Amino acid sequence: SQTIHQWPATLVQPVGSPLSLECTVEGTSNPNLYWYRQAAGRGLQLLFYSVGIGQISSEVPQNLSASRPQDRQFILSSKKLLLSDSGFYLCAWEDGAYEQYFGPGTRLTVT
Amino acid sequence: QKEVEQDPGPLSVPEGAIVSLNCTYSNSAFQYFMWYRQYSRKGPELLMYTYSSGNKEDGRFTAQVDKSSKYISLFIRDSQPSDSATYLCAMSGGNYQLIWGAGTKLIIKP
Repeated sequence: SQTIHQWPATLVQPVGSPLSLECTVEGTSNPNLYWYRQAAGRGLQLLFYSVGIGQISSEVPQNLSASRPQDRQFILSSKKLLLSDSGFYLCAWEDGAYEQYFGPGTRLTVT
Repeated sequence: QKEVEQDPGPLSVPEGAIVSLNCTYSNSAFQYFMWYRQYSRKGPELLMYTYSSGNKEDGRFTAQVDKSSKYISLFIRDSQPSDSATYLCAMSGGNYQLIWGAGTKLIIKP
């Protein structure tokens, strides 16, 4: 069966510091991978998606970036965090059948 | 106008009641419809997946799609306190991107 991992679970970072969130998927090959952000009490905002190694598409202009160095690894990064980057970050995978499966999420607070 | 509209609630019902959750949408190209359940501070969990119109049942849950009215519903029978969560609808026209509702917060009172 497939499993998706995200870490860390929670993170408190000062404004201007860098960020690296990691997501890995087990039990599937060549999945489509997604990064979402969810503000408190809000729906999901798609940030990035990837259909393969090194292939990243951005949905929202911002100071975040994503990379996919391996087939089942997806990384979300920032060089300098802003207060507005606070939120719940979710990674998801999908195998071409439109159903997306989510990881446990990372709660980021920028102070 | 948002592509997908969903009442944020909260919707509070007594234990054992039948719950009806709904989303409306504007894009007639949507053909894939999903319902997710999200507990507080957790990732969304896929509950139901429906292609095109019709009903789908899984245990206490029934998903209904009415493409002519651009309206989808999730029914929960014999609701339990453990069903208290936020329910998100999502849909796709067949590309990579899911379009999401904002979610409805459901509270089941014991």
